Amino acid sequence: SQQGEEDPQALSIQEGENATMNCSYKTSINNLQWYRQNSGRGLVHLILIRSNEREKHSGRLRVTLDTSKKSSSLLITASRAADTASYFCATAYWGYQKVTFGTGTKLQVIP
Amino acid sequence: EPEVTQTPSHQVTQMGQEVILRCVPISNHLYFYWYRQILGQKVEFLVSFYNNEISEKSEIFDDQFSVERPDGSNFTLKIRSTKLEDSAMYFCASNYPSEKLFFGSGTQLSVL
Repeated sequence: SQQGEEDPQALSIQEGENATMNCSYKTSINNLQWYRQNSGRGLVHLILIRSNEREKHSGRLRVTLDTSKKSSSLLITASRAADTASYFCATAYWGYQKVTFGTGTKLQVIP
Repeated sequence: EPEVTQTPSHQVTQMGQEVILRCVPISNHLYFYWYRQILGQKVEFLVSFYNNEISEKSEIFDDQFSVERPDGSNFTLKIRSTKLEDSAMYFCASNYPSEKLFFGSGTQLSVL
């Protein structure tokens, strides 16, 4: 299985701090995506990084990708209480046939 | 923004019964997916569907499961004879040509 593994499984920080989540995967990929899930709800796409990219920014989000280590990180800067959610990485190894999700990181931002 | 819609939001069924979960993907999307999530844990891929046929399926997607696009808008997941372990949140998603997946709000299936 190429399913990713997120690290840490849970993270609790104070509002205003930065949150970093890591994702490792097993096989070569076409792209890697990060999604957010509020409790019990559907997943929402945050950012996509392609296999030939090393870093990408979107607002307070910064994603890095190291294909040699088969790993990615998601950094949320200046966190807010509203960032409290689960965050998942997802990998697509070829085309659109199969997008598989990691195990997720539960982030709690304390006001 | 366009949405994927799923019905019902909750489904309670008896073990051994058939259930059909329904989804309306985003209208110009061509790839459709079903995922499931047990108790807020990992999101498991079940099946992808393209051009009116299954594109890929996981080992979870055994003969008890089937998918169908009965018309131009709906995409369904059928579980023929439900088991207790089928209790989960089932998510429908769609994409292509967009690469990002758009998810519905899910159907919580409870098998008693």
